[in-house]
Amino acid sequence: QSALTQPASVSGSPGQSITISCTGTSSDVGGNNYVSWYQQHPGKAPKLMVYDVSNRPSGVSNRFSGSKSGNTASLTMSGLQAEDEADYYCSSYTKSNTLVFGGGTKLTVL
Amino acid sequence: EVQLVESGGGLVQPGGSLRLSCAASGFTFSSSAMNWVRQAPGKGLEWVSTISDSGGRAYYADSVRGRFTISRDNPKNTLYLQMNSLRAEDTAVYYCAKDYRYYSVWGQGTLVTVSS
Repeated sequence: QSALTQPASVSGSPGQSITISCTGTSSDVGGNNYVSWYQQHPGKAPKLMVYDVSNRPSGVSNRFSGSKSGNTASLTMSGLQAEDEADYYCSSYTKSNTLVFGGGTKLTVL
Repeated sequence: EVQLVESGGGLVQPGGSLRLSCAASGFTFSSSAMNWVRQAPGKGLEWVSTISDSGGRAYYADSVRGRFTISRDNPKNTLYLQMNSLRAEDTAVYYCAKDYRYYSVWGQGTLVTVSS
């Protein structure tokens, strides 16, 4: 049950696009299409932003998009806004019927 | 409105026990897998346990297997986490969350502090 690998931090200016990567193995990210992404503001509960690699829940801005290639998934945010500043976590369903999270990425909007 | 509300957290001594509850409303609880996820202070999210909709199947992280037990009472729309033999490293905010392969709804969390 090793955590998925994410960069510790990323940054971008308002209006720019950024991408956060999430690397796993063939037992999780590479073995299914059940990757999801969560946004967490300080002191708040996580919020689902993308599920099943590239689907957005109702109410989530289309500035957020997900993709996957092999054992690496990605979350792309376009048109960065100040309110996007938060921690982002990827997760993947695994062959053991468990869920594994990434270590988290802190997004700073400059 | 779909809602999850955790309770039962608090301060407990190492080796002690605690039972967390998660009250669900706004959806068909008995049709949803449920989960516990924790977050140690200043750290990332850690999946803890999942239980199937009927309660017939349960899964645990290696770090809690044999010490924690997940259960549910579908008529009461409530999820539980019985935590025994608690350790300092179990100190965290514990969240309950809905669904199986991704977590669509989360509670606000309840803080568990293990300290003497």
